[in-house]
Amino acid sequence: EIVMTQSPATLSVSPGERATLSCRASQSVSSNLAWYQQKPGQAPRLLIYGASTRATGIPARFSGSGSGTEFTLTISSLQSEDFAVYCCQQYNNWPPAFGQGTKVEIK
Amino acid sequence: QVQLQESGPGLVKPSETLSLTCAVSGYSISSYYYWGWIRQPPGKGLEWIGTIYHGDSTYYSPSLKSRVTFSVDTSKNQFSLKLTSVTAADTAVYYCARVGQQYQLRFFDYWGQGTLVTVSS
Repeated sequence: EIVMTQSPATLSVSPGERATLSCRASQSVSSNLAWYQQKPGQAPRLLIYGASTRATGIPARFSGSGSGTEFTLTISSLQSEDFAVYCCQQYNNWPPAFGQGTKVEIK
Repeated sequence: QVQLQESGPGLVKPSETLSLTCAVSGYSISSYYYWGWIRQPPGKGLEWIGTIYHGDSTYYSPSLKSRVTFSVDTSKNQFSLKLTSVTAADTAVYYCARVGQQYQLRFFDYWGQGTLVTVSS
C-alpha cells in the first residue's frame, strides 16, 4: 500500500502571504493526486485533481504541482477563509490513500 | 447540484454492527459514477473504507474487508454501509462521497457532511 506523508504538520502564515504545502508518496503515483481543504465540522472540499487541475469553482490562488512522488500545493495569497487543514490523496493504486493533513493557521 | 447526506445511529455498542445510509439527491446513483465511504477518527486523517457501483462492483479496504459490506437501493437513490464487530477504534466521522470522473479509482468530488459514530457501551 502507498503511504502519503505531508509536511509540515502545521504551517503558520500571515494573511496575504504565500503558503507552500508538501505531500510525498512512498512510491510513484504519476499525476494521480488530489488535494482537499477541510474546515472544522465540514466535509472535505476538492481543490485539485490530476496534481495540478483546479476543481470547479476553486480560486486561482490555489495551485498544485509535482508528479511521481513529490507534490506541492501553493496558496499564493492567503485569505481568511483559507485557514484550514489540507490533505492529499493518491488514486494511482488500490487502495486510495490520504495524507495526515497540514493545518494552515494564522500567524 | 449533487448532494449527499449520511444518516444512522450516533452510538453503537462494542461487538455490534454499525449501519449507515447515504441519501443522494441531484443525481441518480444508477448512472455512471461510483460511490464511496471514507472515515476520519478524531484527530486523525481520512481513511478510505470502500467504493461501490450499482451494487454489482465493490472495492473494500484490505484492513476492513472482513467486516464491511456495502449495498445500493436504487429505488431510494441511496447506498449503505454495514461494519460488523465494531470496537472503539471504529469511532470516527463517517463520510459518503462520489468518486469523480466515472471511474472506480479516482478522487472524491462531492461529499456528505459526515456523521459521527461513537463506539461505546
